[in-house]
Amino acid sequence: EIQMTQSPSSLSASVGDRVTITCRASQSISNYLNWYQQKVGKAPNLLIYAASNLQSGVPSRFSGSGSGTDFTLTISSLQPEDFATYYCQQSDSTPWTFGQGTKVEIK
Amino acid sequence: QVQLVESGGGVVQPGRSLRLSCGVSGFTFSRYLMHWVRQSPGKGLDWVAVVSSDGTKNYYADSVKGRFTISRDNSKNTLYLQMDSLRVEDTAVYYCVSGESMIVRGVKVDVLDIWGQGTRVTVSS
Repeated sequence: EIQMTQSPSSLSASVGDRVTITCRASQSISNYLNWYQQKVGKAPNLLIYAASNLQSGVPSRFSGSGSGTDFTLTISSLQPEDFATYYCQQSDSTPWTFGQGTKVEIK
Repeated sequence: QVQLVESGGGVVQPGRSLRLSCGVSGFTFSRYLMHWVRQSPGKGLDWVAVVSSDGTKNYYADSVKGRFTISRDNSKNTLYLQMDSLRVEDTAVYYCVSGESMIVRGVKVDVLDIWGQGTRVTVSS
């Protein structure tokens, strides 16, 4: 089973800040890495697929990068609606696995 | 309008069984992989199982293998999760999720695309 490790587990930031979340896989997953956003009490929502491709309808302030084992999700200018928990997920091989999540809170 | 609506959750004692259902509308159900993903209270996301579009292939997380069975009825646009020998640690919100294959530079990448609202399962004596 491929282990996914996110850092940090939580962060506090202000509106307008640049935020970076990292995700590391325990073995190479090429670019089979997706990012999801989950707001409190809601189901998750796909943000980025294949490491760097923005899902339709997702604001361009979100971006992703990386390949192999190391990946990054960046929010270029944090907006009030971005306060949420973010998860990476690998779809390289079953069982699919998620990172433990990064909670982005208001400073 | 695409909708995935889970049902069948509830409170059950350890060792007992429960069957979850997910009714789908608004897209061609029979064309897509379907998944179950769960989230324990206050915890992260945990992928549970996937079934192929025609229902002939399925894969499971190690934590549920041998106890849970995913299946689908394409004539009824419905996904199922049969959960046997339930444990306290199976307590979670269970989400039904449609899979999508994104083609990126000729390579197929699978994602968890559309999520239901979830159904809560509590395993407790």
